[in-house]
Amino acid sequence: GENVEQHPSTLSVQEGDSAVIKCTYSDSASNYFPWYKQELGKRPQLIIDIRSNVGEKKDQRIAVTLNKTAKHFSLHITETQPEDSAVYFCAASGRTYKYIFGTGTRLKVLA
Amino acid sequence: DTAVSQTPKYLVTQMGNDKSIKCEQNLGHDTMYWYKQDSKKFLKIMFSYNNKELIINETVPNRFSPKSPDKAHLNLHINSLELGDSAVYFCASSQGSPGTNQPQHFGDGTRLSIL
Repeated sequence: GENVEQHPSTLSVQEGDSAVIKCTYSDSASNYFPWYKQELGKRPQLIIDIRSNVGEKKDQRIAVTLNKTAKHFSLHITETQPEDSAVYFCAASGRTYKYIFGTGTRLKVLA
Repeated sequence: DTAVSQTPKYLVTQMGNDKSIKCEQNLGHDTMYWYKQDSKKFLKIMFSYNNKELIINETVPNRFSPKSPDKAHLNLHINSLELGDSAVYFCASSQGSPGTNQPQHFGDGTRLSIL
């Protein structure tokens, strides 16, 4: 069945360093890959997304890369700040048009 | 203005009771969803409606019954609540028809606690 694996489950970085979160999906028909940030007690919020016809997308300090052949996609956060601390979820969506979420990565940015 | 609003925000009730959660979106979206987020933060789709029509119905106990009176509203009724139903339930909405894969916008969640 459809599955999205996400690693690492927790990630601690020093303020100013970069953070990378990786996801792997199983359904080759997946064509849309959003990333959500969820702060403690809050709702998931979309931070960036990418479609299968694009290999990379960037928005200020955040970038996402997609390798369709390997069925991998990654979130890159540069110059991390304490307010980047949150749980990040990747998701994949395709022929069934439902999001399959990864298990989340808890990012801690240490000041 | 809150784009996707859920009520109530918190719900504490006894095992065996029946309860409802309401969701409304003012984004003009055609598709709405219910998700369950458990204590380990895992987000799982439960249901989805497109223009009042059920399009996704995951393996959810039939004690859970969604209802969409119009495309701006999607409510969730839960019968005979069990301890394992304790979770945060999120409503979400997206534009367009199934298969267009548009961003989903989430509500603030309803934290359900079963005593």
